[in-house]
Amino acid sequence: DIQMTQSPSSVSASVGDRVTITCRASESISRWLAWYQQKAGTAPKLLIYGASRLQTGVPSRFSGSGSGTEFTLTIDSLQPEDIATYYCQQANSFPRLTFGGGTKVEIK
Amino acid sequence: QLQLQESGSGLVKPSQTLSLTCAVSGGSVNSDNYSWNWIRQPPGKGLEWIGYIYRSGRTYYNPSLKSRVTISLDLSENHFSLKMTSVTAADTAVYFCARAPPSDYYFDFWGQGTLVTVSS
Repeated sequence: DIQMTQSPSSVSASVGDRVTITCRASESISRWLAWYQQKAGTAPKLLIYGASRLQTGVPSRFSGSGSGTEFTLTIDSLQPEDIATYYCQQANSFPRLTFGGGTKVEIK
Repeated sequence: QLQLQESGSGLVKPSQTLSLTCAVSGGSVNSDNYSWNWIRQPPGKGLEWIGYIYRSGRTYYNPSLKSRVTISLDLSENHFSLKMTSVTAADTAVYFCARAPPSDYYFDFWGQGTLVTVSS
């Protein structure tokens, strides 16, 4: 299986800060990567697909980049409502779809 | 707006069969080339894709669960279902149903999730 490794596992930042989360794949997945936001007690919400395509309705402060094995999710100007755990997911190696371990974002 | 809602047994005894249903509203499971998926999340842990079904009835399963999992589709009732046999405590998780767009393997609509506990 393709292993997806996220870093950091948690990050604490102030409102208005830029936050960057990294996801590394154990082998190349081209641009077959999605990012999700999961708030406590709720289902994940799709933010980004195809590594950099913003899902409809997602605020423009979220952006994704990368290809191959290294990807980033950036939150420009962190807002209180962005407190959540963020997951990456590779969609290249079907049917062995896998998720990263998650990054918890907190307000400092 | 598409909505998905899981239902089923919240407590299952070890070695028995877990059964869940995902009711779809605001859309049809008979839609062109969308896949209908099950994903689970053990308490405090990450996400694991279980499998999916197309309107044609074609299924794909996570190889690690394939021997125990069956996903089925009911076009008349507009829902799809999950059965997992021989459950153990390791199958305790929140189970989500979700939709994936045609020819893609990411998930754009999710149900709220339902907790299934495996315990005697």
